[in-house]
Amino acid sequence: QKEVEQDPGPLSVPEGAIVSLNCTYSNSAFQYFMWYRQYSRKGPELLMYTYSSGNKEDGRFTAQVDKSSKYISLFIRDSQPSDSATYLCAMYPGGGNKLTFGTGTQLKVEL
Amino acid sequence: DTAVSQTPKYLVTQMGNDKSIKCEQNLGHDTMYWYKQDSKKFLKIMFSYNNKELIINETVPNRFSPKSPDKAHLNLHINSLELGDSAVYFCASSQEQGWNTIYFGEGSWLTVV
Repeated sequence: QKEVEQDPGPLSVPEGAIVSLNCTYSNSAFQYFMWYRQYSRKGPELLMYTYSSGNKEDGRFTAQVDKSSKYISLFIRDSQPSDSATYLCAMYPGGGNKLTFGTGTQLKVEL
Repeated sequence: DTAVSQTPKYLVTQMGNDKSIKCEQNLGHDTMYWYKQDSKKFLKIMFSYNNKELIINETVPNRFSPKSPDKAHLNLHINSLELGDSAVYFCASSQEQGWNTIYFGEGSWLTVV
């Protein structure tokens, strides 16, 4: 079992839809949680960063962490074609430990 | 201005060859990394350097050798290339070892034939 599991998709939604992207993890030591967006033929870019449980909102994006269920989510409101990309979750315990990535979910927002 | 730049972007080479990928960051970061992304998009760390000192060295064949001449540069040299080395290699950097500030380059697509 991988430490971080993510449905690879592809997930196809119409423009304006609310998108929910999710990751589950097995390591209860993870405390820092991130979402990266990766466009085709580009490097990942940091989208959202949260510490411990709770919600964080940034414009159309909301990151949610439920440590008791070992489950994190990224919600995208009013999705746009420009949101079409692969979304990778990532997490780490803190200190000098390495970041562990999910395999990414490919999202396509159609006109 | 590109924050983390790596060259070449595309590289096609034959099995058995030796090749290098270069990386430079202009962010003033102390820590640099090499990641490998396979065909299934799984991103895995290979090496991490902090101020030219090797910090993380994952289970990577010793055909892969990173070199950091200064804290703004981290190059990756690969000897005796194999078919399984075909992947996308990403250079990244962050302030100290702050994973929340990590910035990735655009990637180097390596194809071994």
